[in-house]
Amino acid sequence: DVKVTQSSRYLVKRTGEKVFLECVQDMDHENMFWYRQDPGLGLRLIYFSYDVKMKEKGDIPEGYSVSREKKERFSLILESASTNQTSMYLCASSSLLAPYNEQFFGPGTRLTVL
Amino acid sequence: GQNIDQPTEMTATEGAIVQINCTYQTSGFNGLFWYQQHAGEAPTFLSYNVLDGLEEKGRFSSFLSRSKGYSYLLLKELQMKDSASYLCAVRSGGYNKLIFGAGTRLAVHP
Repeated sequence: DVKVTQSSRYLVKRTGEKVFLECVQDMDHENMFWYRQDPGLGLRLIYFSYDVKMKEKGDIPEGYSVSREKKERFSLILESASTNQTSMYLCASSSLLAPYNEQFFGPGTRLTVL
Repeated sequence: GQNIDQPTEMTATEGAIVQINCTYQTSGFNGLFWYQQHAGEAPTFLSYNVLDGLEEKGRFSSFLSRSKGYSYLLLKELQMKDSASYLCAVRSGGYNKLIFGAGTRLAVHP
C-alpha cells in the first residue's frame, strides 16, 4: 500500500515564524503536491514537483516555497506565517505507473497561526 | 476560467440510493476523479472516468458526459459509514494536476 506521511497532524505557530511542513512518500512516486483545504473552497494547489529539485507553482503560491532534495520528501515552507495561512495542509503523490495516475494523500496537517 | 460545481450538502437514508452531481468548465480535460474524505482524514480515491459512460465498482458507480461537462457519483445501499465528503476533481494540464470542487458533504441517517 502507498503510504504518504506528514510530519505533524496539528501545529500552532505565531505570526512571522518560519514554518516547515514535511511530507514523505514510500512508493518512489515522481510527482508530489501540496494543497491547502479550506471550508467552501475545496483543495487548492500551492506547489507541485515532478522530479527531484524541480518545482512548479500551483494556483496559490504566494507566501509559500517548497523544497525537494530527495525523491521521497517534499517540504512546504511558510517564510513568514500569517493568520490567513491558518488551514489544513494536504500532501499528495502520484506515479505514472499507477492505474489511473491517481493522487494518494497524506493525513493532513492542521496549522493554526496566532 | 476553471470551475467545478457540486452541491454543498446532501442527506440520505440508510439503504437508499444517492446521486452526487458535478459539473465542470476547465481549459483542458484528461479525466475526472471522485474522492471520499471522512472528517479529519485524508481523501481516498474512489473512481476515475476519462471516456463517456458509466464505471461501476461495487456499491459505487460514476458517470461522465464530456460534451455536457457533467459527472455524477452514484452510491447504492447506503451505509452509515458512507457519511463523508465527496470530492470531484478534473485532471487538466500537464504533470497530473487536479482541479477540485469544494466537495459535497453527505449525511446518511438511519
